[in-house]
Amino acid sequence: GAGVSQSPRYKVAKRGQDVALRCDPISGHVSLFWYQQALGQGPEFLTYFQNEAQLDKSGLPSDRFFAERPEGSVSTLKIQRTQQEDSAVYLCASSFRRGNQPQHFGDGTRLSIL
Amino acid sequence: AQSVAQPEDQVNVAEGNPLTVKCTYSVSGNPYLFWYVQYPNRGLQFLLKYITGDNLVKGSYGFEAEFNKSQTSFHLKKPSALVSDSALYFCAVRPNTGTASKLTFGTGTRLQVTL
Repeated sequence: GAGVSQSPRYKVAKRGQDVALRCDPISGHVSLFWYQQALGQGPEFLTYFQNEAQLDKSGLPSDRFFAERPEGSVSTLKIQRTQQEDSAVYLCASSFRRGNQPQHFGDGTRLSIL
Repeated sequence: AQSVAQPEDQVNVAEGNPLTVKCTYSVSGNPYLFWYVQYPNRGLQFLLKYITGDNLVKGSYGFEAEFNKSQTSFHLKKPSALVSDSALYFCAVRPNTGTASKLTFGTGTRLQVTL
């Protein structure tokens, strides 16, 4: 399809397990963002890539969170040793490089930590 | 630092009536402002943006928004609401810079349109 694709849509993991969330951006979009949306809240910024370069990771809540985009296209958000407070919807967005262009969002991955 | 306030958790309006969803912002320099809509179990869908120029911005599905620099507001409006407009609406801001950067979102306003 033409939109941002995220997988899996739903992920259930036990506390302490590692998880990996995938984002496939819109073709041609060099900018890629990860956001975390807690229940009843607005999305909160996690990290930003321009092509393969991670330009801003100021929103990552701890060193258990790691993101990569090795070839400048698909990105993976990895959470190690998951904790219950990691339960949230993780949204990926992509955009053109120019600052006046909107970010386009995928449908997210709903992560539940038991 | 940048921030967005959406003072209403929920807005209720009857179908056919005009609607307004409020948003105020804080950002260094001039802003880029955005409205997104979220339906259940879906991501955010772009509605409209203010970059520069006319203070009244028109977007998708008949929505528009009015930028007011002196009041640092960017309220979302629609002249005639539809039941299908019922959803969660988010206002977002980022600084007016040449390249992409992170958005800061408000906490969202739930719009409920009834017959």
